[in-house]
Amino acid sequence: AQSVTQLDSQVPVFEEAPVELRCNYSSSVSVYLFWYVQYPNQGLQLLLKYLSGSTLVKGINGFEAEFNKSQTSFHLRKPSVHISDTAEYFCAVNPSGTSYGKLTFGQGTILTVHP
Amino acid sequence: AAGVIQSPRHLIKEKRETATLKCYPIPRHDTVYWYQQGPGQDPQFLISFYEKMQSDKGSIPDRFSAQQFSDYHSELNMSSLELGDSALYFCASSSDVAYEQYFGPGTRLTVT
Repeated sequence: AQSVTQLDSQVPVFEEAPVELRCNYSSSVSVYLFWYVQYPNQGLQLLLKYLSGSTLVKGINGFEAEFNKSQTSFHLRKPSVHISDTAEYFCAVNPSGTSYGKLTFGQGTILTVHP
Repeated sequence: AAGVIQSPRHLIKEKRETATLKCYPIPRHDTVYWYQQGPGQDPQFLISFYEKMQSDKGSIPDRFSAQQFSDYHSELNMSSLELGDSALYFCASSSDVAYEQYFGPGTRLTVT
């Protein structure tokens, strides 16, 4: 079974500051890793994914994440945040090997960007 | 680009009633997933279908059932509704060549 832990439930930050949202996972098999963003009263939008290859993946809206197998982490970063980045962010894992595996989500991190 | 369509977007039911939620996946996507997100919670996997066959099952109550039809749309049927069933229900779809799941806007179910 897989589990995901997002280490911070809330992250307040000022506009134009850098941010890191932390995600650790545990799994007995290799996994695919994802970050999703959820704006209030909306669905989940895919930010980026790691399937294989380069451990640094770039996504939409200037976000990037680094897969660290030894530390079983997949932290999300952005060098300069905007007010519009205020949302809830979910880290998720999918056991690799199938294209139809269910996602297991972390508890979510609420990012609040202050002016 | 076409997205996942869910209907209805909002649904209010009373206890012990029945609800049916519908999901229309992105064209050429063959896998559909259902998730439940309670207030302040992360989404929890309920059930999935691959090529119209159930592929995986999560913490779905026995009162719930689902199926995927020949046109790949899916329906989640919920009977004997309880107050605790109030949640946001997401449908997602994926294809066998793209491993990411694309989520619909969700159906907000309120049970009174």
